[in-house]
Amino acid sequence: AQSVTQLGSHVSVSEGALVLLRCNYSSSVPPYLFWYVQYPNQGLQLLLKYTSAATLVKGINGFEAEFKKSETSFHLTKPSAHMSDAAEYFCAVDTGRRALTFGSGTRLQVQP
Amino acid sequence: GAGVSQSPSNKVTEKGKDVELRCDPISGHTALYWYRQSLGQGLEFLIYFQGNSAPDKSGLPSDRFSAERTGGSVSTLTIQRTQQEDSAVYLCASSLVVEVRTDTQYFGPGTRLTVL
Repeated sequence: AQSVTQLGSHVSVSEGALVLLRCNYSSSVPPYLFWYVQYPNQGLQLLLKYTSAATLVKGINGFEAEFKKSETSFHLTKPSAHMSDAAEYFCAVDTGRRALTFGSGTRLQVQP
Repeated sequence: GAGVSQSPSNKVTEKGKDVELRCDPISGHTALYWYRQSLGQGLEFLIYFQGNSAPDKSGLPSDRFSAERTGGSVSTLTIQRTQQEDSAVYLCASSLVVEVRTDTQYFGPGTRLTVL
């Protein structure tokens, strides 16, 4: 069964610093992978998705993620953190059962 | 509407009571999904609808949980005889069709359920 693991439940960076949120996947078939963001008291919003067209995927708000099959990873990065990036981030994989399986989430704090 | 809406936003109930959670998807979206977000469990898939039909109910945690969708629009998630472990945020999402690989799911703000 497809699954994702997010390393680090909390990540804290300084404003302007690199953001790196880690996600590793397990899948018996080529996976479709997603990153979602959840701002306080809001629903999840799609940041980006990997559908095998390109290994480097660019999303909204300056985020991008690179699919690395050899490392079974799909880490999310942003070159320079902004205060408004503080939120919870979820990695997800298509289960093949018409639904998504989400990781446990990583809460990003951005320090001024 | 502009987005997925859910009601109520917060629900506090006593153990053993029944609750109904409502989801109003984006107009024209044929696919509707329910997820549960609880502390220590992360986000888990419960059920999806294609139109009014729910082909896969295996994600529902127990037979106390049921869901229906009428008119291809509004969906109701019902929890009977609520237990404290049912406390969670229940999220609804909709998409144009049931194709998670290519079709973006749009999430509502959720209903926070607290069972005392």
